[in-house]
Amino acid sequence: QQQVKQSPQSLIVQKGGISIINCAYENTAFDYFPWYQQFPGKGPALLIAIRPDVSEKKEGRFTISFNKSAKQFSLHIMDSQPGDSATYFCAALGGSNYKLTFGKGTLLTVNP
Amino acid sequence: SAVISQKPSRDICQRGTSLTIQCQVDSQVTMMFWYRQQPGQSLTLIATANQGSEATYESGFVIDKFPISRPNLTFSTLTVSNMSPEDSSIYLCSVAGGKDTQYFGPGTRLTVL
Repeated sequence: QQQVKQSPQSLIVQKGGISIINCAYENTAFDYFPWYQQFPGKGPALLIAIRPDVSEKKEGRFTISFNKSAKQFSLHIMDSQPGDSATYFCAALGGSNYKLTFGKGTLLTVNP
Repeated sequence: SAVISQKPSRDICQRGTSLTIQCQVDSQVTMMFWYRQQPGQSLTLIATANQGSEATYESGFVIDKFPISRPNLTFSTLTVSNMSPEDSSIYLCSVAGGKDTQYFGPGTRLTVL
């Protein structure tokens, strides 16, 4: 049972465009939603995270939008750059056990 | 954020052998985790490494195949035992830092021939 569904599997965006990656979750006990960025040969790096008490969080060019009633959240990358080309994973965590549940990942390619 | 290092960064091993992966953190952390990331796939939690007690394994992972040690609050090891080509993956350790935040090491890329 996949508890966090991520789409699209891959995404190609032109430089300067907006990249949007969507995730949906099933478990209403989840209360922390991070996004990770992973470059080839590297470990995942925490990019930005949100809790259900807010609908949006922005850090630089990266924004998380959160819809609690729909159980969906998304990552928006504004002014996408070739250096943003990486695999992005959404994740969810709930309770006190620190167990992250990951989406399947989105391979983002930003063309120059 | 915590600085995490892993050794080795990559290895090529023969079927039937074992490999021990080390994870070192630059600060004391309560919770450490081991994940597996198969080629082109997402991350799957193998186990939670508990200091001073046995690791807690997720469904599908057993101690005989993936023994884990956690001798102190800055160090852990994961052994991949009796390896087969299906064990070829990236193995990642992570630590919990602050409320809910989790940081990952650079990973160990394992190829089993």
